[in-house]
Parts: sequence; structure tokens; C-alpha cells
Amino acid sequence: AQTVTQSQPEMSVQEAETVTLSCTYDTSESDYYLFWYKQPPSRQMILVIRQEAYKQQNATENRFSVNFQKAAKSFSLKISDSQLGDAAMYFCAYRYGSQGNLIFGKGTKLSVKP
Amino acid sequence: DAGVIQSPRHEVTEMGQEVTLRCKPISGHNSLFWYRQTMMRGLELLIYFNNNVPIDDSGMPEDRFSAKMPNASFSTLKIQPSEPRDSAVYFCASSLSRRETQYFGPGTRLLVL
Repeated sequence: AQTVTQSQPEMSVQEAETVTLSCTYDTSESDYYLFWYKQPPSRQMILVIRQEAYKQQNATENRFSVNFQKAAKSFSLKISDSQLGDAAMYFCAYRYGSQGNLIFGKGTKLSVKP
Repeated sequence: DAGVIQSPRHEVTEMGQEVTLRCKPISGHNSLFWYRQTMMRGLELLIYFNNNVPIDDSGMPEDRFSAKMPNASFSTLKIQPSEPRDSAVYFCASSLSRRETQYFGPGTRLLVL
């Protein structure tokens, strides 16, 4: 069975600094997708970034980038120049290619200090 | 563009009552998902539809839960009878297809007393 593990229940970063959130997953499949979603206090689930397993290049979206290590089954999120609005729960998620459902990690609560 | 729309946003009910949650997916999206979020279990899939047909309902807790998608623009999740352990945030999400990114609605916070 596929599983997603986020080993950091909470993280803290100073405004304008860089922080990395960790995620590991377990799968025997080769066709899959990985995602990071952000959930602010409003509870809205917001897509941050997406990575296709077949792509070797790490995905980047503005201040957000990932370090995708396929052999190690690791998918970390780096947030550069952290802003107060980045404070939220961050969920790592996995999806097997032909299936629809997302499998989520337990989440990491990120605090940003002014 | 309108995102995924869910109603109601909050629901407070008493044990034993019927609860109906509603979802309107993004226009043109063919896949629709219902997730539940609790402190104990995190985010978990309840059921998903593809082209209005239920594909995987293995996450539906028990017979008290049912979901329908009568057309491409509307889905319901019904709990009858409701129990306190059903208290959670219920999310609806939609995607262009099963292989595409899922976009979430704002969620419905359900409290069963």
C-alpha cells in the first residue's frame, strides 16, 4: 500500500528566510504524481506545486521549489523568502497515475516569525 | 472562473438527523472527489466519480453514508443517521480527469451533537 510520511509536525521560520519541509513516500509504482497543498486557517486546500514522477527536473513555482529524489522516495518542499502569508498547514500528497484519489501525509504546521 | 462550490459551509445537527452536503465542481471537470478531514485520521478519500459514475467508494465508512452525482455539475454526500463521530470537515474536489490536478472546495464543517 502506498503511504506518505511527513516527519515534521511543526516547523518555524523567520520572515525572509528559507525553510524546507520533508516528505517521504512508499510505492512500488513507476507512474505517479506528487503534490504539496497548503491549508491556511481558512481551511481552503490550495495547490502549491506538482511533480510528475517521470520528470527528472524539479518543479518550481515562484518562491516554492521541490527536491525530488525518486530513488530515495523523497519529495521535500523549499520555501524561499518566507512571508507571513506562508503560515499554514502543508500537506504532501501522492497519486498513482491511473487512479484518482490522493493519499495525504499528516501535515506540517509552518509558523512564520516577523 | 468559479472554483468548486460547496454548501453549506457550516452545519450543526443533532445525532440521528439526516445531513446532506452539496458540491458543484468546476465546469468541464470530469472527476469529482469527496474527502473527509479529522484530527485523528487526517485527510482521507471517501468516494470519487468519473463522468458521473462512482469509481471507488472503498473509503465510505458504512451504510450510513451515500453519495450521488446525478449530472456533471452536482453531487451530494448524505449521512443518515448522523453520529457525533461524523463530525469533521468534508471537502469536495474536482479535476479535468483522474490524471489531472485536483482543485478543492472550501469545505463543509460538520458538527454532530
